Amino acid sequence: DAGVTQSPTHLIKTRGQQVTLRCSPKSGHDTVSWYQQALGQGPQFIFQYYEEEERQRGNFPDRFSGHQFPNYSSELNVNALLLGDSALYLCASSLRSGAQYFGAGTRLSVL
Amino acid sequence: AQSVTQLGSHVSVSEGALVLLRCNYSSSVPPYLFWYVQYPNQGLQLLLKYTTGATLVKGINGFEAEFKKSETSFHLTKPSAHMSDAAEYFCAVSVDSGGSNYKLTFGKGTLLTVNP
Repeated sequence: DAGVTQSPTHLIKTRGQQVTLRCSPKSGHDTVSWYQQALGQGPQFIFQYYEEEERQRGNFPDRFSGHQFPNYSSELNVNALLLGDSALYLCASSLRSGAQYFGAGTRLSVL
Repeated sequence: AQSVTQLGSHVSVSEGALVLLRCNYSSSVPPYLFWYVQYPNQGLQLLLKYTTGATLVKGINGFEAEFKKSETSFHLTKPSAHMSDAAEYFCAVSVDSGGSNYKLTFGKGTLLTVNP
């Protein structure tokens, strides 16, 4: 049974560019959450998707947007990249009120 | 709003010694509590969780944690450390509203070093 998979594993972009990160949830899970983990910090909640709708959002600007597809997979989009967006982006999936299971993450470097 | 404080950004123990990683939480409603482990260049792996019921929770790899409401604590312990336990450990809190699973709020993490 495949766990949570994220792509790509690493990404290098320059300031001002746009990026799309992808996540496939664990089989049977219907909820996807995205987190940003800066170096040396704990993960920070970006937003959560359920039934293709954003259900809750953390303290992140509108440059961060997402989408959930009918098969429950999800994308995270970041526009107008800043140097400070460099981080590990983690996707977690869950089944409604169950525990969240994380993927290995996408390491984004903004130059 | 919920918050988590992990006491000690770095804990060092000898192999075979007791591991104790401290976590205190703040929540205005009954919390769900979690411990995750992160190995270098990897994602987070769930060690254990407390939702309701028994306050002593057993997890994977010999770890356990006890929910103490009066102390607002959820400390992680392991009787005997192994070299393979060296990693970063995160405590997290969530609340369940209407059967929905909302965001995890994480602590800043504790780096565990195990010395031979």
